[in-house]
Amino acid sequence: DAKTTQPNSMESNEEEPVHLPCNHSTISGTDYIHWYRQLPSQGPEYVIHGLTSNVNNRMASLAIAEDRKSSTLILHRATLRDAAVYYCILRDGGSNYKLTFGKGTLLTVNP
Amino acid sequence: DAMVIQNPRYQVTQFGKPVTLSCSQTLNHNVMYWYQQKSSQAPKLLFHYYDKDFNNEADTPDNFQSRRPNTSFCFLDIRSPGLGDAAMYLCATSSGRTLAKNIQYFGAGTRLSVL
Repeated sequence: DAKTTQPNSMESNEEEPVHLPCNHSTISGTDYIHWYRQLPSQGPEYVIHGLTSNVNNRMASLAIAEDRKSSTLILHRATLRDAAVYYCILRDGGSNYKLTFGKGTLLTVNP
Repeated sequence: DAMVIQNPRYQVTQFGKPVTLSCSQTLNHNVMYWYQQKSSQAPKLLFHYYDKDFNNEADTPDNFQSRRPNTSFCFLDIRSPGLGDAAMYLCATSSGRTLAKNIQYFGAGTRLSVL
């Protein structure tokens, strides 16, 4: 599986935007970029995914670099409930069923 | 409403005493997964079922088994738990294995302690 690199931790203030970076310099042309997050004492939760174009949904936005070697998950207004570990995962566009989690980024949101 | 339900949330067992963890889903998904997550680590896939077809990960110890009697339920059996098996066990489902259908929905997990 292609590897991702994320900062171990980040901090944000409530109601401010948060930009969570992910590097994936060995991404292949068929790899999708997925983000999941895991709130304390909960199972992971799907956030968003994309291939080449930027994507928006009700939870977040995903900005993908033109060369696809990096991406950024954007939370537009962080809330205390967004405090979680955020995982950036590459998924093969074929029949690869696996979610291979890296270490993720622990996001702390300050009130 | 919870769609992937794991019971119990906390389970304590004794060293070497078999234990079974349960997972049920209301999503009618074809695929069910079991992950192990040790403290401060990322989840790691143990195995998955595609309908009744069981798929074991190469590095999953033989001590871990699974059963899926019907679409809704899946069980994780640990035959002889060791201290190193203390972890959070996560159940997940997806409607298929191909990328388009493989957004995974996770339960809240069962935290297993081994005394």
